[in-house]
Amino acid sequence: NAGVTQTPKFQVLKTGQSMTLQCAQDMNHEYMSWYRQDPGMGLRLIHYSVGAGITDQGEVPNGYNVSRSTTEDFPLRLLSAAPSQTSVYFCASSYSGTLNYGYTFGSGTRLTVV
Amino acid sequence: AQKITQTQPGMFVQEKEAVTLDCTYDTSDQSYGLFWYKQPSSGEMIFLIYQGSYDEQNATEGRYSLNFQKARKSANLVISASQLGDSAMYFCAMRVIGNQFYFGTGTSLTVIP
Repeated sequence: NAGVTQTPKFQVLKTGQSMTLQCAQDMNHEYMSWYRQDPGMGLRLIHYSVGAGITDQGEVPNGYNVSRSTTEDFPLRLLSAAPSQTSVYFCASSYSGTLNYGYTFGSGTRLTVV
Repeated sequence: AQKITQTQPGMFVQEKEAVTLDCTYDTSDQSYGLFWYKQPSSGEMIFLIYQGSYDEQNATEGRYSLNFQKARKSANLVISASQLGDSAMYFCAMRVIGNQFYFGTGTSLTVIP
């Protein structure tokens, strides 16, 4: 099925460990984003990309890196995990340059940092 | 500034009744899109309905309708004939020129049998 594939679904990290959350879409969407969801705070934008080779910071980028080497893939790297990064992470994609197309979301990654 | 406000952290509705979830938005752009998403307890984000800023008719998708009042900058979601499966978190979102999406903090809806 076409969509956004996000892995892993669950992850437990120790403080200081690094890891990469994977995100891939097969809809040829130019625009891809990473969000974190915390109780009572809605969705907060971490990083986004408008196309291969182009990334930019969102609202809460500290502690995270991204790259976009292909249209399909947009991995999120946690450089040195901290308990404050315990959250649910969503990858989302959409067409660029249009207002009438919403996001397609991945299924989310529940990350716990201990 | 671009902003979405959802003032109802939690709502309850009796099964088979209608419920309105409030959403107000702030933008100086003339062109924008408004969206509602549903997040059940399983966690996935499900698109429900879309309204364009130039659309004169309110959007409808089955039991969902969007009550769009442009002058008041509101985009309320109306769910008719509520079902137990409607219990979920609901997010209002706005997309503006430049691709950015803005989300509200969500409303938790509980349908009571």
